[in-house]
Amino acid sequence: DAGITQSPRHKVTETGTPVTLRCHQTENHRYMYWYRQDPGHGLRLIHYSYGVKDTDKGEVSDGYSVSRSKTEDFLLTLESATSSQTSVYFCAISGGEASSNYGYTFGSGTRLTVV
Amino acid sequence: SQQGEEDPQALSIQEGENATMNCSYKTSINNLQWYRQNSGRGLVHLILIRSNEREKHSGRLRVTLDTSKKSSSLLITASRAADTASYFCATDARQGAQKLVFGQGTRLTINP
Repeated sequence: DAGITQSPRHKVTETGTPVTLRCHQTENHRYMYWYRQDPGHGLRLIHYSYGVKDTDKGEVSDGYSVSRSKTEDFLLTLESATSSQTSVYFCAISGGEASSNYGYTFGSGTRLTVV
Repeated sequence: SQQGEEDPQALSIQEGENATMNCSYKTSINNLQWYRQNSGRGLVHLILIRSNEREKHSGRLRVTLDTSKKSSSLLITASRAADTASYFCATDARQGAQKLVFGQGTRLTINP
């Protein structure tokens, strides 16, 4: 999707290893989000950021950490991957506050398999 | 827990017919949004309706919002095969930092 890229697109990793997913945006948007998508659960928020070095937990943050040292990059780290973290991970960006007309722009996703 | 619940979970109609999907939510909201997801792709923003709005149109899309019933509907008129996708509603319940909570989605199939 224009203005937001995720890497890698696919990854297979072993249980217990750390994994870092990267989200890069060229829109200079303030807000960035990490969601995971699983069958039967829809999209669930893991962590989000409202500025450089400003992050907060979402609904399913256990086992995940994030960092945002630059406006354009938001990293998601699985500290010690488990099979329950096998999922499709989506990054999203938003330029607006709740009172604005902005929707989210989503990346193409990272399919992570933990074996 | 999910804020939004879509109904039905799956819908299959003939091309040219209208498709209606419903979303219910639990808490007060600032706005409600609808997204489309094609298989294997990211979500695409379709339309946003604020809590003080009752109806909004965008091309073949019509969204209604009833805050007293905490529900919304998405109508796609004159459906096309390209409309085959999953549709999600998402609610924003906070002031300040936007933080959307998504429902589980409706899988729409348009049969030629």
